[in-house]
Amino acid sequence: GEDVEQSLFLSVREGDSSVINCTYTDSSSTYLYWYKQEPGAGLQLLTYIFSNMDMKQDQRLTVLLNKKDKHLSLRIADTQTGDSAIYFCAESMRMNTGFQKLVFGTGTRLLVSP
Amino acid sequence: DAGVIQSPRHEVTEMGQEVTLRCKPISGHNSLFWYRQTMMRGLELLIYFNNNVPIDDSGMPEDRFSAKMPNASFSTLKIQPSEPRDSAVYFCASSPRQTTGELFFGEGSRLTVL
Repeated sequence: GEDVEQSLFLSVREGDSSVINCTYTDSSSTYLYWYKQEPGAGLQLLTYIFSNMDMKQDQRLTVLLNKKDKHLSLRIADTQTGDSAIYFCAESMRMNTGFQKLVFGTGTRLLVSP
Repeated sequence: DAGVIQSPRHEVTEMGQEVTLRCKPISGHNSLFWYRQTMMRGLELLIYFNNNVPIDDSGMPEDRFSAKMPNASFSTLKIQPSEPRDSAVYFCASSPRQTTGELFFGEGSRLTVL
């Protein structure tokens, strides 16, 4: 079935590292994604990782992928108050039409305190 | 470059009324998606268009919901008659290719049905 799970809430202090975790279900997912949603706004793609990679680093963001356990994580180094938002992981499921359907997780609300 | 534009941003209506939500995708993007976001169900894909043609509408909750894309620069999502349980934020997103999970979201239309 389609079930992408995340913890609901994470609170950190400014300057600390944040780690947001996600478990997904479809082992054939080609790509896995992290999206960010700020208050009153739509989702914005942060980063993605190809399924044959273990790790991807992009400035303060590090994505780790454990395909065996179907576990994905997003680490934000030196977390800032501007990083406060809801973070969604998403797995891509290829449909018969060739369409990549994104299945989103429940979202993790990150709160960064000064 | 303008992003995905949705209107209205907020709509409050009474049960039984018709609601029409509008979306202008990013120019050149040939895939368009309608999502619904609620606290209880998270993000749900309602319908997906590719080159103005509906490809997958399996997420449309019931016959009260309909979506059209008469041309490459405009789409509507209509609810008739509306019910209180339709209250949600409705997002439109576009993508340059149907085989990518890189979606560009609008800011959403918050619908409240009394």
